[in-house]
Amino acid sequence: NAGVTQTPKFRILKIGQSMTLQCAQDMNHNYMYWYRQDPGMGLKLIYYSVGAGITDKGEVPNGYNVSRSTTEDFPLRLELAAPSQTSVYFCASTPDTNYGYTFGSGTRLTVV
Amino acid sequence: GEDVEQSLFLSVREGDSSVINCTYTDSSSTYLYWYKQEPGAGLQLLTYIFSNMDMKQDQRLTVLLNKKDKHLSLRIADTQTGDSAIYFCAVPDNYGQNFVFGPGTRLSVLP
Repeated sequence: NAGVTQTPKFRILKIGQSMTLQCAQDMNHNYMYWYRQDPGMGLKLIYYSVGAGITDKGEVPNGYNVSRSTTEDFPLRLELAAPSQTSVYFCASTPDTNYGYTFGSGTRLTVV
Repeated sequence: GEDVEQSLFLSVREGDSSVINCTYTDSSSTYLYWYKQEPGAGLQLLTYIFSNMDMKQDQRLTVLLNKKDKHLSLRIADTQTGDSAIYFCAVPDNYGQNFVFGPGTRLSVLP
């Protein structure tokens, strides 16, 4: 049982480049989330999904896009990378909003 | 929206107790959580308390909830070097759909 798998673990992007952060879970969880973590700021919610085909914006969605075509996958897309998007990104999932989250190990992204 | 606050740093000596505090502005009735993050890793669910409880004990961990003061705390008894990590509290947002995380408390355990 792999849990929540994120790829890649590290990436350096140039300003203006695009990339997709991958997230997959094998626990059949309906709810999935993308967070970014900046030092001393905790986790900020970027986007979330309550099931396949349904996504919604979180607290800091600007500059990002998501899709949820299957229950298992929830990729995060950065279209025009900016230095402000330098951060550690975490994907999480849960079967129900009253349950705790299972987190992936994170993707450390640097935009230069 | 929901605002969650924690002290950023805490240092204790090995064998002492650690108390990590969390305050929040609002919360729907549901579970409140503590997560642990070790260096270079994701967050791991540590423990939780349901909002109709005052205290929950789980081995070395004790969670206290004061709903009136909107104050949540995590006590770690007999703190070990392996407890060195960042600890996050998470409380439900105003709509009960998502969780809002505090900024995290970095616990350093000194030998």
